[in-house]
Amino acid sequence: GAVVSQHPSWVICKSGTSVKIECRSLDFQATTMFWYRQFPKQSLMLMATSNEGSKATYEQGVEKDKFLINHASLTLSTLTVTSAHPEDSSFYICSARDFLSGGSHEKLFFGSGTQLSVL
Amino acid sequence: DAKTTQPPSMDCAEGRAANLPCNHSTISGNEYVYWYRQIHSQGPQYIIHGLKNNETNEMASLIITEDRKSSTLILPHATLRDTAVYYCIVRFKAAGNKLTFGGGTRVLVKP
Repeated sequence: GAVVSQHPSWVICKSGTSVKIECRSLDFQATTMFWYRQFPKQSLMLMATSNEGSKATYEQGVEKDKFLINHASLTLSTLTVTSAHPEDSSFYICSARDFLSGGSHEKLFFGSGTQLSVL
Repeated sequence: DAKTTQPPSMDCAEGRAANLPCNHSTISGNEYVYWYRQIHSQGPQYIIHGLKNNETNEMASLIITEDRKSSTLILPHATLRDTAVYYCIVRFKAAGNKLTFGGGTRVLVKP
């Protein structure tokens, strides 16, 4: 099946620094990617929808200037957590839709997640 | 998207069938029922989806009641590797592929 690669799988950074997380679709083109955040023992919360070649659409309450999303190609989207603080520590997960799937959810694939710890 | 209600947790014995219920009493006619699962510290994995008819694949079976207000995911022979959080999601198929995750059911398969 299709694979979505997410990197890094975990990262520790100092407060105030920025962290970039990459999400790649390895064997399919993804015009749309989604970024989720998950706190311990909680469900996934959608942060934003990333569209190739255009600005991302952020969910209500998510600061677009803090969580910068770039989707410059059909196989890569990046999420940059700017000026990270301890409260940004979370599990970040991306998902990608196979462009050729026509919208079927069985063609929505998830990355393995990135655990961010901000000290 | 219609809301779903799932039990927060359940245990099941290895080798036995696991039946995971989901209530979606406000589901509309064009909304599908999807099931995903998330193994600890991994991304969610698609399991199965359906509209009206019961569905079966290599992972599980999905039983949807006639009034479509509830459904049951069946793992026919649970293994220890099936320990995960299972999410029941109800939504329109062509709504941008956004998935809204509820609390899910934390399933623990015991030997």
